Amino acid sequence: DAKTTQPNSMESNEEEPVHLPCNHSTISGTDYIHWYRQLPSQGPEYVIHGLTSNVNNRMASLAIAEDRKSSTLILHRATLRDAAVYYCILRVPHHGSSNTGKLIFGQGTTLQVKP
Amino acid sequence: EPEVTQTPSHQVTQMGQEVILRCVPISNHLYFYWYRQILGQKVEFLVSFYNNEISEKSEIFDDQFSVERPDGSNFTLKIRSTKLEDSAMYFCASRGTVLSYEQYFGPGTRLTVT
Repeated sequence: DAKTTQPNSMESNEEEPVHLPCNHSTISGTDYIHWYRQLPSQGPEYVIHGLTSNVNNRMASLAIAEDRKSSTLILHRATLRDAAVYYCILRVPHHGSSNTGKLIFGQGTTLQVKP
Repeated sequence: EPEVTQTPSHQVTQMGQEVILRCVPISNHLYFYWYRQILGQKVEFLVSFYNNEISEKSEIFDDQFSVERPDGSNFTLKIRSTKLEDSAMYFCASRGTVLSYEQYFGPGTRLTVT
């Protein structure tokens, strides 16, 4: 699996936008970029994923560089509830039984949100 | 909204004892997973399960571990003879279909081996 690099920690103020970067210079053409987050004392939670184009959903936006070697998760207005560890994960698409869809987590970025 | 549930939330056991961790995945999901997270460390993949058999397992998932889907709703992880280093949070996850991308995680079971 291709590797991702994220800052260990970031801080944000409540109600301000947050940009969480992820580098994945060895990404292959078929790797999807996934983001999960883990709130304190909870299981990981899916946030968003994309392949080439920028993506938006109710939780966040994902901006993908044109060369796909980096991406940025954007939280438009951070709330205290967004304080969590954010994981950027690359996954090949699952076709048949050759790919099980397992997730390989790194250390992620610990986001602190200040009131 | 459907969710993955896990029981118990906390299990304390003595070294050498067998434990069974239980999970109820989201109904109609086809792919099931177990992960673990030792305190302060990253989440680690243990095993994936599809069509009533293991589809992939990690190096952590040795002969002491087994998984089962005994009926249409439960998915269990058994550790035959627990060791101190098995102390961790164990998360169950499920995914819908081959075209689904999201994995839905349960709240976890904290296993403490003394």
